Amino acid sequence: EPEVTQTPSHQVTQMGQEVILRCVPISNHLYFYWYRQILGQKVEFLVSFYNNEISEKSEIFDDQFSVERPDGSNFTLKIRSTKLEDSAMYFCASRRGDGTDTQYFGPGTRLTVL
Amino acid sequence: AQTVTQSQPEMSVQEAETVTLSCTYDTSENNYYLFWYKQPPSRQMILVIRQEAYKQQNATENRFSVNFQKAAKSFSLKISDSQLGDTAMYFCAIGGIQGAQKLVFGQGTRLTINP
Repeated sequence: EPEVTQTPSHQVTQMGQEVILRCVPISNHLYFYWYRQILGQKVEFLVSFYNNEISEKSEIFDDQFSVERPDGSNFTLKIRSTKLEDSAMYFCASRRGDGTDTQYFGPGTRLTVL
Repeated sequence: AQTVTQSQPEMSVQEAETVTLSCTYDTSENNYYLFWYKQPPSRQMILVIRQEAYKQQNATENRFSVNFQKAAKSFSLKISDSQLGDTAMYFCAIGGIQGAQKLVFGQGTRLTINP
C-alpha cells in the first residue's frame, strides 16, 4: 500500500541554522500539507499546497517558513533561521483530492533546535 | 473557524473491555468530514475511521465505530474488545470539503489498555 515518507526521521540543529525537511507524498495525490506537533500538544496545521502554490497557511507559517515541490515527487519544508520554539514533530500529509478527502500522514520528522 | 474539543485527557481500561472516547466540535459549515487518528508511541499518525457529515449512518471499521450526532456536534469513538495494541493517543479532527481542507485537531486523549 502506498504511503507518505519523510526524511530525516530526526534532525538536530543549532539555533539560527536553516533546515529542510523532506517528504515524498503518495504518487497520485494532488494536495500536500505540513503540520506541526510540539511535544505534548495537539497537531497544528501549517500550510497546504496545491497546483504548485500555497493554497492556505496558518499564522504559524511566517516568513521563516517556505515550501517547495522541486520535482514531481518531493515536497519540502524549509525553515530559514530556526528558533528554539521550532522544536517539534513535523508531519507531512497528502490527499488524492477526488472526493475521498482523507489525508494520509507520513511518520514525521522530529526537529530539535539547540 | 472550526474547533475540536476532547474533554478526556486520559483514559484507562482493561483489555477486552469497550471504551468510548468523546469529541465535540464546532463549525459553521454544513458539510464536512470527521476523523479519528491514532498516534502510538512511535508518534506516527494513523487513520482509524472517518465520517462524512452528510451521511447519517455511523461509520464502522472492525472493532472501531463512531456515534455521530450532527445536531449536537458530537463525534465519539467506540473501541470494542480493546487490545493492548490500542494503547495510543487518539485525536479527533474535522476537515472542510471546500478549499484547502486543512484538518483541525483536538487536544487528544491518551488511552491505555491494561493487561
